[in-house]
Amino acid sequence: EVQLLESGGGLVQPGGSLRLSCAASEFTFSNHAMSWVRQGPGKGLEWVSSISDSGRDTLYADSVKGRFTISRDNSRDTVHLQMNSLRVEDTALYYCAKSDCNHIGCRLADYWGQGTLVTVSS
Amino acid sequence: DIQMTQSPSSLSASVGDRVTITCRASQSINTWLAWFQQKPGKGPRLLISRASNLQNGVPSRFSGSGSGTEFTLTISSLQPDDFATYYCQQYNTYSRTFGQGTKVEIK
Repeated sequence: EVQLLESGGGLVQPGGSLRLSCAASEFTFSNHAMSWVRQGPGKGLEWVSSISDSGRDTLYADSVKGRFTISRDNSRDTVHLQMNSLRVEDTALYYCAKSDCNHIGCRLADYWGQGTLVTVSS
Repeated sequence: DIQMTQSPSSLSASVGDRVTITCRASQSINTWLAWFQQKPGKGPRLLISRASNLQNGVPSRFSGSGSGTEFTLTISSLQPDDFATYYCQQYNTYSRTFGQGTKVEIK
């Protein structure tokens, strides 16, 4: 069974930074694009960012473009989300999700982790 | 961005009931529509892709239909394990937007 385990969440002040990680197992990580999706308190799901299998191609939601950076380490089966200039509205549960194919156009997430909570507050 | 509107936002039903959830897209998405189930403390679980393709391991009481802008998720006979929140998601565009969710509660 595919496993995705997020970590790195926590409490941070507005303007601060945080780095999320997602450790993947039980599938060939380097063959799949990966994404981050967030769910704010009392809000719905919002796609944040995606990265292709090689890491060459990335996409970002307008709400995080220029502040967040997605990356991956295929030697460690891990994907990261570096979050800078955090805002109160970035407060959310952040999910790591596996795409059903390898390239940046793969937009279907077929497996999700349980999420890591990011709280931005002074 | 394409807006996804689900209805109802919540419903109460009994075990054995037939349940239908509707999802409407603000513009045509062909059949690039997925349905997810989410339980408290868990990440979403993919149930259906391409509007009607049931994922491996998902019970056959779940079905999906529709194309263009109107879609439905049907649970033919609600079971205790089905009480959860359901989300639709369009993946026609890279921004892949979600509906606001439908919470299915026990009557």
